[in-house]
Amino acid sequence: DTGVSQDPRHKITKRGQNVTFRCDPISEHNRLYWYRQTLGQGPEFLTYFQNEAQLEKSRLLSDRFSAERPKGSFSTLEIQRTEQGDSAMYLCAGTGPQGPSTGELFFGEGSRLTVL
Amino acid sequence: EDQVTQSPEALRLQEGESSSLNCSYTVSGLRGLFWYRQDPGKGPEFLFTLYSAGEEKEKERLKATLTKKESFLHITAPKPEDSATYLCAHRPGGGATNKLIFGTGTLLAVQP
Repeated sequence: DTGVSQDPRHKITKRGQNVTFRCDPISEHNRLYWYRQTLGQGPEFLTYFQNEAQLEKSRLLSDRFSAERPKGSFSTLEIQRTEQGDSAMYLCAGTGPQGPSTGELFFGEGSRLTVL
Repeated sequence: EDQVTQSPEALRLQEGESSSLNCSYTVSGLRGLFWYRQDPGKGPEFLFTLYSAGEEKEKERLKATLTKKESFLHITAPKPEDSATYLCAHRPGGGATNKLIFGTGTLLAVQP
């Protein structure tokens, strides 16, 4: 158990609807990442927070995606006007100050999105 | 462009049959090469960090090594519970990025 929880674990939605995912890391994880993973692929970087500040965002991320981390604790990832191509596993990872250097990220079990 | 390439895409072994997984990289200014294990339907689990050529790390039946062009994950006498997808990743050099870039993984199946 990494201590990182994600909710919901599964979400089925219709194209055009908005969805929101939540990630709760442990208190020591002042760094937080969101990744997206499709079948047979490795995790693809979406965004990175240090405390409440969103310091990095993938250039591949469309404007329909937004992430927040108010107060530097839990984080949310919202997808507006979902498309079928958004179907994927959305992974959250937390880590401490040395995490980006050591590469030791603590992943949650992911939120699987299916867009019909 | 910095990238990591993993091979083979899939590997099937008999229990006890040792082998190696490969992660080749074309990265300028490597700031770490990382190995993860991922079970189906789960998030990746961290295994090792390697920083410089010649470095080795071990954990149970797994040993990771690093050269100037590639990293190997050696699996000695594997057991069925070693079946998983093994991912390598790196942190791009240059700039202040904190993101980790993952390869596509090697799906390992160990049959009893």
